[in-house]
Amino acid sequence: DAKTTQPPSMDCAEGRAANLPCNHSTISGNEYVYWYRQIHSQGPQYIIHGLKNNETNEMASLIITEDRKSSTLILPHATLRDTAVYYCIVRLNYGGSQGNLIFGKGTKLSVKP
Amino acid sequence: ETGVTQTPRHLVMGMTNKKSLKCEQHLGHNAMYWYKQSAKKPLELMFVYNFKEQTENNSVPSRFSPECPNSSHLFLHLHTLQPEDSALYLCASSRAGGTLGTGELFFGEGSRLTVL
Repeated sequence: DAKTTQPPSMDCAEGRAANLPCNHSTISGNEYVYWYRQIHSQGPQYIIHGLKNNETNEMASLIITEDRKSSTLILPHATLRDTAVYYCIVRLNYGGSQGNLIFGKGTKLSVKP
Repeated sequence: ETGVTQTPRHLVMGMTNKKSLKCEQHLGHNAMYWYKQSAKKPLELMFVYNFKEQTENNSVPSRFSPECPNSSHLFLHLHTLQPEDSALYLCASSRAGGTLGTGELFFGEGSRLTVL
């Protein structure tokens, strides 16, 4: 079972920041938070991951709370092409098959003109 | 273009047919994965191969038979499938599997399977 909780859907206006929340209250100290997205009819795409520090790359920023029980993915200037299902996943970065990615239902983000 | 190519993109088969799905990666990765995505359900991990060895079989029925002849190719052989096996089958690769890798998987666009 997925260890994360995400809202099933969100809307965002084009050009505005999209803030996608994720709860992972049972996360252990060794587990990382990963974000992927899946645009309709395509395979999932890796976005970003982090352990406890905030992370930023060319696609997005990841903000992890100090207690690590929740995180927020930020798309700073959402475009229509960012409409997708966004998955938040916790993953153990050592220790055999526990490192495999287990996807939940994700958040369907709709970016509107 | 993710560097992971799946063929065919669409497949329709009867319950008594035998068919295969093919996945090829051009990224120099050592781990390959099969995921299943049914309508309105989360992606389900089916199989993991790490350096050509199967390291994960997520209780998949034997009518699905994976094959990994080398680190660049992965097959999913299908026989006597049921209509409920209709789904999008996604292949992915990564530098290494399980926790040896970074968790960054590269997915193909999937093979849409319909079982009549």
